Amino acid sequence: EVQLLESGGGLVQPGGSLRLSCAVSGFTFSNYAMNWVRQAPGKGLEWVSAIGGSGDDTNYGDSVKGRFTISRDNSKNTLYLQMNSLRAEDTAVYYCARDLARYNSGCFDYWGPGTLVTVSS
Amino acid sequence: EIVLTQSPGTLSLSPGERATLSCRASQTVSGSYLAWYQQTPGQAPRLLIYGASRRATGIPDRFSGSGSGTDFTLTISRLEPEDFAVYHCQQYGNPPWTFGQGTKVEIK
Repeated sequence: EVQLLESGGGLVQPGGSLRLSCAVSGFTFSNYAMNWVRQAPGKGLEWVSAIGGSGDDTNYGDSVKGRFTISRDNSKNTLYLQMNSLRAEDTAVYYCARDLARYNSGCFDYWGPGTLVTVSS
Repeated sequence: EIVLTQSPGTLSLSPGERATLSCRASQTVSGSYLAWYQQTPGQAPRLLIYGASRRATGIPDRFSGSGSGTDFTLTISRLEPEDFAVYHCQQYGNPPWTFGQGTKVEIK
């Protein structure tokens, strides 16, 4: 059974940093690209970042480019999102999502339950 | 970036009725790379349709997708109680991948 589980969310002050993790099981992690997608309270979904199966192809949405860094450790079956210079508008539930393919196709077939990040003083 | 506009914002229907949801793109979606997701309150989205018309694994055949270019439709042939949820369309043909604002299907 495919499973994804995010962790690392919480309350952080504006300008602060946070690192999210997503532990996966039930599939060969390195065979799939992975993504982070977020949803602000009461709002729609926003794609944040993607990383290819081998980790050498990364992409970012304009709103997080230069502040967030996606990475993965295929030996630990874990995806990461390092978030720096956080702003109030980064407040959202962050989902880890598996891509349909090894490359960044942009379509997501499995999602974790999400972790809430709140940026507030 | 491609902007997706979903309509209506809310659809009020009874179980057993047919639901038709629209997703319009601000420019042509390359390769008909259009997906639909279902989200119930407090839950993660679930992939229903990809490639505009291909059902994801385990999705009942009452869900169908159609369309190309800039106009896409999700149809639920007969609403079951578990189908009352928010539906999001997403394009993945042109980065950055973008989502519509969602259509809520509620019980009338």
